[in-house]
Amino acid sequence: QLQLQESGPGLVKPSETLSLTCTVSGGSISSSSYHWGWIRQPPRKGLEYIGSIYYSGSTYYNPSLKSRVTISVDTSKNQFSLKLSSVTAADTAVYYCARQRRGTYFDYWGQGTLVTVSS
Amino acid sequence: EIVMTQSPATLSVSPGERATLSCRASQSVSSNLAWYQQKPGQAPRLLIYDASTRATGIPARFSGSGSGTDFTLTISSLQSEDFAVYYCQHYNNWPPYSFGQGTKLEIK
Repeated sequence: QLQLQESGPGLVKPSETLSLTCTVSGGSISSSSYHWGWIRQPPRKGLEYIGSIYYSGSTYYNPSLKSRVTISVDTSKNQFSLKLSSVTAADTAVYYCARQRRGTYFDYWGQGTLVTVSS
Repeated sequence: EIVMTQSPATLSVSPGERATLSCRASQSVSSNLAWYQQKPGQAPRLLIYDASTRATGIPARFSGSGSGTDFTLTISSLQSEDFAVYYCQHYNNWPPYSFGQGTKLEIK
């Protein structure tokens, strides 16, 4: 059974960089059929797509966040990572990693991790 | 960017009754639409993809329909575990993959 697990600091200071890692188990991140994505959900709000990556390193970002987002992949560790720079309180959210059928829907999700931006 | 609009924001339905949730796209997304269910404190769960195909393990009481700009998620006979928030998501002309704002399905 495929599992995804987010990890990283739960508290980040304003203007700093948020860094999260998603570890994939029960399947290979190098599969040609999938992208690997990040989605976030501010408290009591809806879902926002952040970006995705293919195992080759090709990336796709939400234009609204593109200037601040970097997603990378480490196939040797079966992990992919998110960096979001210059964070503000508006970036406080539960961050989910998910498997994405190439260019389509998200079929497996991590449990999510709450990241709070506060000094 | 394609904007997804869901209605109603909240839907109150009695157990055993039918629930009909709507999702409208600001421009055609063909059949490139998915539906998710999210319960409090949990990650979203994929219910429907390609507008009408049930994901693995999803009960037959969940069905999706529509194409172009107008889509519907129908739950034929509501069970207690179905009360949750439902989101639609398009995957046409990506990125970004826009989600709707959600419909909360509550017990009447």
